Amino acid sequence: GAGVSQSPSNKVTEKGKDVELRCDPISGHTALYWYRQSLGQGLEFLIYFQGNSAPDKSGLPSDRFSAERTGGSVSTLTIQRTQQEDSAVYLCASSPSGGAGQTQYFGPGTRLLVL
Amino acid sequence: GDSVTQMEGPVTLSEEAFLTINCTYTATGYPSLFWYVQYPGEGLQLLLKATKADDKGSNKGFEATYRKETTSFHLEKGSVQVSDSAVYFCARFSGGGADGLTFGKGTHLIIQP
Repeated sequence: GAGVSQSPSNKVTEKGKDVELRCDPISGHTALYWYRQSLGQGLEFLIYFQGNSAPDKSGLPSDRFSAERTGGSVSTLTIQRTQQEDSAVYLCASSPSGGAGQTQYFGPGTRLLVL
Repeated sequence: GDSVTQMEGPVTLSEEAFLTINCTYTATGYPSLFWYVQYPGEGLQLLLKATKADDKGSNKGFEATYRKETTSFHLEKGSVQVSDSAVYFCARFSGGGADGLTFGKGTHLIIQP
């Protein structure tokens, strides 16, 4: 079946602009995760959704970052007033229900470059 | 907070050599443990996992055993191939709350023919 998909695959933007990243999880997976992969920080967890709800948003790097999920499926990560330090690969993952032993399946990522 | 520590490399080996990549984790709770792999130009994919103490995960000739007494989950392979060249990430996950996977920094493995 189809895996996790993300769009766009690459995004180049100017400092100060807003960007929106999209994630389409595996059909039927209720748990959805956003991560960021950068050279300096490695792989960082950003936010988790169970259905449409995000219990804790404290992993988001700043208040310029927001995320939502609608219909228990597609999720968008929005970065407002982008900064150069936001340049990274943004990864999305999903799992069947968020249980501790479940595998998280990752999408190919969105490579964001802020000029 | 929760953390995972792994050797960062790069680790360079000859084909058919024995591989060990060390990984230790903080002992908060009873996490599940994972090894993910990222091949050049590809996304993160699960290599193997273990969900409780003394479990052994295995896949593609790789193995790792969940050792609660040493809080370790070392990755091993008896005979590596050039195609095993990749970045390997150890991770822990407690689930049930609002957290995601906690990853180590990644180990870049280079296998020379």
